[in-house]
Amino acid sequence: GDSVTQMEGPVTLSEEAFLTINCTYTATGYPSLFWYVQYPGEGLQLLLKATKADDKGSNKGFEATYRKETTSFHLEKGSVQVSDSAVYFCALSDEGRLYFGRGTQLTVWP
Amino acid sequence: DGGITQSPKYLFRKEGQNVTLSCEQNLNHDAMYWYRQDPGQGLRLIYYSQIVNDFQKGDIAEGYSVSREKKESFPLTVTSAQKNPTAFYLCASSIKRLHSNQPQHFGDGTRLSIL
Repeated sequence: GDSVTQMEGPVTLSEEAFLTINCTYTATGYPSLFWYVQYPGEGLQLLLKATKADDKGSNKGFEATYRKETTSFHLEKGSVQVSDSAVYFCALSDEGRLYFGRGTQLTVWP
Repeated sequence: DGGITQSPKYLFRKEGQNVTLSCEQNLNHDAMYWYRQDPGQGLRLIYYSQIVNDFQKGDIAEGYSVSREKKESFPLTVTSAQKNPTAFYLCASSIKRLHSNQPQHFGDGTRLSIL
């Protein structure tokens, strides 16, 4: 069945450091891939998405590329800020059903 | 502004009591979903609905019930049969369920605790 595996946290970085959060997936069909972000006490917000192989999603300095050959959708940002501290979820959508990874807690220190 | 409103933000349940969590959306979305979030885990699907008067069980439906009498509303009842209801509950909606490239939009959640 469909599933998502993402890097376990927590991840702690200094401001302006480079961020990578790994995400790999297993899917029977041709899924769309998403990254969502959750700030404390809030719901999830869509960060970026990619709907087919080799697509790159980007938003607010974050990027992720849909790699079908490695079944991956790693999240990257070149220079993190304190305000990026949150939990990040990788997810795939197959026939409209969302499958989530367990989330990665990111803390950025000034 | 369009969005999803969940209420209340915090809810307490006594043993043997049913409680209902509200979810309202004004995005004109057809599909709505309920998820449960526990610490260190991803979101798990409880129930979903593609259209009014229709809904299906997700992965962890036991101890929960839903209704979809209006397009805008998808309330979740946590029954006394749910033995471990303490969790953060998230409601979401999307344009249509079968469109995989359309993202789901989430409310701010309800935190349910047992007294």
